Amino acid sequence: AQKVTQAQTEISVVEKEDVTLDCVYETRDTTYYLFWYKQPPSGELVFLIRRNSFDEQNEISGRYSWNFQKSTSSFNFTITASQVVDSAVYFCALRSSNSNSGYALNFGKGTSLLVTP
Amino acid sequence: ETGVTQSPTHLIKTRGQQVTLRCSSQSGHNTVSWYQQALGQGPQFIFQYYREEENGRGNFPPRFSGLQFPNYSSELNVNALELDDSALYLCASSLAGGGFSYGEQYFGPGTRLTVT
Repeated sequence: AQKVTQAQTEISVVEKEDVTLDCVYETRDTTYYLFWYKQPPSGELVFLIRRNSFDEQNEISGRYSWNFQKSTSSFNFTITASQVVDSAVYFCALRSSNSNSGYALNFGKGTSLLVTP
Repeated sequence: ETGVTQSPTHLIKTRGQQVTLRCSSQSGHNTVSWYQQALGQGPQFIFQYYREEENGRGNFPPRFSGLQFPNYSSELNVNALELDDSALYLCASSLAGGGFSYGEQYFGPGTRLTVT
């Protein structure tokens, strides 16, 4: 069975602060994929990143960075110098490489981030 | 490049009725997945269609059914609506080939269904 845990339900920061969103996953698959999506109040899920299980390199994209630690089954997301526009719900998701699962995304419950001026 | 579109945006139905939600895939994508997102929860996988056939299903009863058309657009049908079916229904498209789906899923804006 696959499971994604986002222990932080809500986080509130002041603009320009750095913030890290935690994601811990469980899977029996040796090959899998991890994702982060952003859901602004409009409701549409916006793809942010995909990480393959065989690629443990961390990634940076502008103010966003991701730390993949296979040893601790974690895939954390850091926003540097947060801005009000970063306010949204962020979801971590796990997808199996097993075709029997239909390549479904298994989502965590999300972390609601509020950035205030 | 056209993104994923869904219709209608909002819908109100009465318990016991039937509903059809529609989704148009992003240009070049051949796989469609449907998710149900209850308030305050993460999306839950309903099913996925590839080449007009169901390619995987989550833990949803048979009254949730779907179709994929030759142009890769899709429908989600829900029969005998229950109050707990009230949710945001999200459609996502992706690219798959040779049985292997390596592409990201791109989501539409969703349909907000309210069952009274």
